[in-house]
Amino acid sequence: AQKVTQAQTEISVVEKEDVTLDCVYETRDTTYYLFWYKQPPSGELVFLIRRNSFDEQNEISGRYSWNFQKSTSSFNFTITASQVVDSAVYFCVTGGATNKLIFGTGTLLAVQP
Amino acid sequence: SQTIHQWPATLVQPVGSPLSLECTVEGTSNPNLYWYRQAAGRGLQLLFYSVGIGQISSEVPQNLSASRPQDRQFILSSKKLLLSDSGFYLCAWDILQGDTQYFGPGTRLTVL
Repeated sequence: AQKVTQAQTEISVVEKEDVTLDCVYETRDTTYYLFWYKQPPSGELVFLIRRNSFDEQNEISGRYSWNFQKSTSSFNFTITASQVVDSAVYFCVTGGATNKLIFGTGTLLAVQP
Repeated sequence: SQTIHQWPATLVQPVGSPLSLECTVEGTSNPNLYWYRQAAGRGLQLLFYSVGIGQISSEVPQNLSASRPQDRQFILSSKKLLLSDSGFYLCAWDILQGDTQYFGPGTRLTVL
């Protein structure tokens, strides 16, 4: 069965600090997909990134970067120089051989000014 | 570009009353459509998904039902609401399995 573990329930940082959100996934699918979504206080889920299981290349997008390591089944997300607008709940998600997405329980990030 | 709409944005309903939430997608054809519920505590639970008109798969046995009367329309219903139906309901779409799912703005339902 698929499972996503986000061990950090809440993280609080001061603006401009770097912060890493951890994600560990479990799957039996040989081909699978990993995602990160952001949920600001408004509630809408905002897509951030999608990775395929066969592409372990790390990715950087502005202040955001993702570290995908199949050997440890991890897909960690780092925000560099955090800003107050980064405050949100962040979900790590996996999908595979079916239409179903499996969500982690989310990490609440609070960035203090 | 594609957009997804949900309404109403918020809803307060008494226990035992009926429910109808609507989701529509614009700018694409033959999408897969999904209903999720997010209860307090943040976890998202897949309720229903549909790969075509009239085709509904239910993930969790419950007090709710879903219908897809048109290609880009997905409706979540209940004949009699329970207190436990309170939550944040999100609709999502994608085209192919494994694609990114894009979510609507959600409906916040409170059952009193």
